[in-house]
Amino acid sequence: IAGITQAPTSQILAAGRRMTLRCTQDMRHNAMYWYRQDLGLGLRLIHYSNTAGTTGKGEVPDGYSVSRANTDDFPLTLASAVPSQTSVYFCASSDFPKGGGGSGEQFFGPGTRLTVL
Amino acid sequence: GQNIDQPTEMTATEGAIVQINCTYQTSGFNGLFWYQQHAGEAPTFLSYNVLDGLEEKGRFSSFLSRSKGYSYLLLKELQMKDSASYLCAVMDSNYQLIWGAGTKLIIKP
Repeated sequence: IAGITQAPTSQILAAGRRMTLRCTQDMRHNAMYWYRQDLGLGLRLIHYSNTAGTTGKGEVPDGYSVSRANTDDFPLTLASAVPSQTSVYFCASSDFPKGGGGSGEQFFGPGTRLTVL
Repeated sequence: GQNIDQPTEMTATEGAIVQINCTYQTSGFNGLFWYQQHAGEAPTFLSYNVLDGLEEKGRFSSFLSRSKGYSYLLLKELQMKDSASYLCAVMDSNYQLIWGAGTKLIIKP
């Protein structure tokens, strides 16, 4: 693989169910991110990880959890899905911190379209 | 609070030039990014500005004025494939990206 992969591509989920969105990168980036994108609101950060073994809360973390057991994988879990979590979810990665040159640009996976009914 | 403003939608003609503006108010500044996002796809990186001035990359240029909290993306010789949303994002003092809602650019023949 090259870049970032996400699975599943799309999912319809009943409210109250547990769901894990998977994200894997092969660029050896130390930082990874989960965003949700809703029409008219832009990308909003859910959780992030600056390095393996650490995670942090973003702008909209409630109802979501993450783990970062290794450099490559950064799964996002919805413990009990609600309809307001219907969205497109993007995983991204970057070099962090961005010292030593480079912009720290983020590279995005193809996204997961999640519908909670 | 942190805020990124950009127009919701713009329309331009194939072959013409269009300028998409972005104004920002953030906690700290570690660079401004422009991304392109086609419908149903992931954002892809276009440009990065951390110092004042113009950065040119082919048909696309990006300008930054830190004192004014202002940037623009200039697209020349517009092509139909340039129809997309253009996202402005600022890296804040914690090295997190703060995103604007995006500008949907419609190109007409």
